[in-house]
Amino acid sequence: EVQLVESGGGLVQPGGSLRLSCAASGFSLSIYWMTWVRQTPGKGLEWVANIKEDGSEKYYVDSVKGRFTISRDNAKNSLYLQMNRLRVEDSAVYYCARVVLIPYYYGSSRYHADYSDYWGQGTLVTVSS
Amino acid sequence: AIQMTQSPSSLSASVGDRVTITCRASQDIRNDLGWYQQKPGKAPKLLIYAAISLESGVPSRFSGSGSGTDFTLTISSLQPEDFATYYCLQDYNYPRTFGQGTKVEIK
Repeated sequence: EVQLVESGGGLVQPGGSLRLSCAASGFSLSIYWMTWVRQTPGKGLEWVANIKEDGSEKYYVDSVKGRFTISRDNAKNSLYLQMNRLRVEDSAVYYCARVVLIPYYYGSSRYHADYSDYWGQGTLVTVSS
Repeated sequence: AIQMTQSPSSLSASVGDRVTITCRASQDIRNDLGWYQQKPGKAPKLLIYAAISLESGVPSRFSGSGSGTDFTLTISSLQPEDFATYYCLQDYNYPRTFGQGTKVEIK
């Protein structure tokens, strides 16, 4: 059974740091892109970051660039999000999810779509003084 | 960043109703769009990927259509378990962007 379990959330003061972890089981992390998505309580979803299977490509939403770092340890089947210089507006539930790439044809050309098929239960980060 | 404009932001419907939610992208995103359902306190759940493909295990009353800039999620006959918030997500480029969500409530 595929499972993703986040941990590491908690209360931190503005300017502080936290490291979120996402432990994967039931599949090999090494063959999947992975993603972090967050949700402010009572609000919508916001994509945060993606990382390629081997960690060679990483992408971030502008609001966290230079402060957050996504990483992975495929040997430990784990995904991480290092969050530094935290702001009040970073308070949210953070979800990790597995990303699947699938080819499709649009006209006569072939492209890849991606989607997140398995999600963790989320971990709450609260940034407050 | 690509803006995803979802409408309506909320709707009230009855069991058995046909429900349509739309998502408009600020530029052409081919078929690079997914639809997710979220219930309170739970993680999002994938319904549709590549705009029109039904995820395995998702009931056939859910369907997706559209391409380019205009996309639709349709629930053909609303069931009690479908009352939730629905989000579109573009995977055409980075940063990925979600629509603002549509809350489907009981009439």
